Amino acid sequence: DSGVTQTPKHLITATGQRVTLRCSPRSGDLSVYWYQQSLDQGLQFLIQYYNGEERAKGNILERFSAQQFPDLHSELNLSSLELGDSALYFCASSAFPSGGSSTDTQYFGPGTRLTVL
Amino acid sequence: AQSVTQPDIHITVSEGASLELRCNYSYGATPYLFWYVQSPGQGLQLLLKYFSGDTLVQGIKGFEAEFKRSQSSFNLRKPSVHWSDAAEYFCAVGVLGSSNTGKLIFGQGTTLQVKP
Repeated sequence: DSGVTQTPKHLITATGQRVTLRCSPRSGDLSVYWYQQSLDQGLQFLIQYYNGEERAKGNILERFSAQQFPDLHSELNLSSLELGDSALYFCASSAFPSGGSSTDTQYFGPGTRLTVL
Repeated sequence: AQSVTQPDIHITVSEGASLELRCNYSYGATPYLFWYVQSPGQGLQLLLKYFSGDTLVQGIKGFEAEFKRSQSSFNLRKPSVHWSDAAEYFCAVGVLGSSNTGKLIFGQGTTLQVKP
């Protein structure tokens, strides 16, 4: 158990809908990262927040947005869903904003599997 | 551009046999390298990491990896595979971005099947 929690575990919805994925980082971690794992694109970095502020963006669609709240949990909002958005969405956390590019390590949650029908 | 290549998409080994999973990276600076494992229906678990120093790093579950700068490789090894090692393995490189941020770039993964 990494200490990173994600809810829900599974989500099934229809095209055009909007969903919210939730992540709670490990105790003491200030940085949250979102990744998408799909069959065709593999594991891709979406966005990072540190202590409530957006710090880095990756291959995140404009239909997707995220935020980090004062209690440090984060939410990833996916709107106008398409079939191609079906994927496993991971959240990771680290103590500092440089997780992965320093001695600070990213620890991953169990993921939320999104199925768009 | 930064990238990670795992040349083997699928590997099958017999239980008790040795294992080596290959990983090659492309990154202009000193790399921070990681191996994660994803068991069916599970999240990503960190196996081991390389930051600096000794090029042979030990991880959990009896895994080790060797960093070879001249070959831009970070191969994962285990001397004797157990059936419970069947999973998907991901190699990743940590990339330093602006504002001292970090992100991971992953390889496509190698699926390990263990034969009894």
